[in-house]
Amino acid sequence: QLQLQESGPGLVKPSETLSLTCTVSGGSISSSSYYWAWIRQPPGKGLEWIGSIYYSGSTYSNPSLERRVTISVDMSKNQFSLKLSSVTAADTAVFYCARIGYCDNGYCYGTNAFDIWGQGTVVTVSS
Amino acid sequence: DIQMTQSPSSVSASVGDRVTITCRASQAISRWLAWYQQKPGKVPKLLIFAASSLQSGVPSRFSGSGSGTDFTLTISSLQPEDFATYYCQQANNFPLAFGGGTKVEIK
Repeated sequence: QLQLQESGPGLVKPSETLSLTCTVSGGSISSSSYYWAWIRQPPGKGLEWIGSIYYSGSTYSNPSLERRVTISVDMSKNQFSLKLSSVTAADTAVFYCARIGYCDNGYCYGTNAFDIWGQGTVVTVSS
Repeated sequence: DIQMTQSPSSVSASVGDRVTITCRASQAISRWLAWYQQKPGKVPKLLIFAASSLQSGVPSRFSGSGSGTDFTLTISSLQPEDFATYYCQQANNFPLAFGGGTKVEIK
């Protein structure tokens, strides 16, 4: 059974770079049927998609965060990672990693929805 | 970019009530809409994908409908465990986007 687990520092100083890793277990990150994503949720607020990556390294990011976001994949470790630069208090949130299928030329892989999520990790931006 | 608007932002209902939540996309997304349930302090859970397909293990009192720009999530008979916040999400194209959420509260 596929599982995702986020890891990384729980406290980051303003202006620094937030770095998180999501480890995939029970399956391969190199599956051609899925994208891997980061989603965040500030305290008391809704869900925000940060970005997604395919095993080939192809990425898509939220335009509101694009200039600060880097998402990468390490197939040898079955992991993908998030870097968010120049953080401020507004970046304080629970960060989730998740799996999502996709559709291409009328054929769909998986559910084309975030069907498996990590447990989430709290990241606080504070000096 | 596609914007997702949910209404209402909150609804008060009693056990046994029928509850309907609406999600509107700023442009057509075919049937590529998902619904999630999130309870306080918990991970979001996929309920519905492709607008109307029930995720495995989700009770049949949950149903989804719609296509294009207008979608609904219906809970046919609200149960105590259904009090939560519900989010829609468009999966038609990047950038992906969630709606603002609808909190279903106990009346």
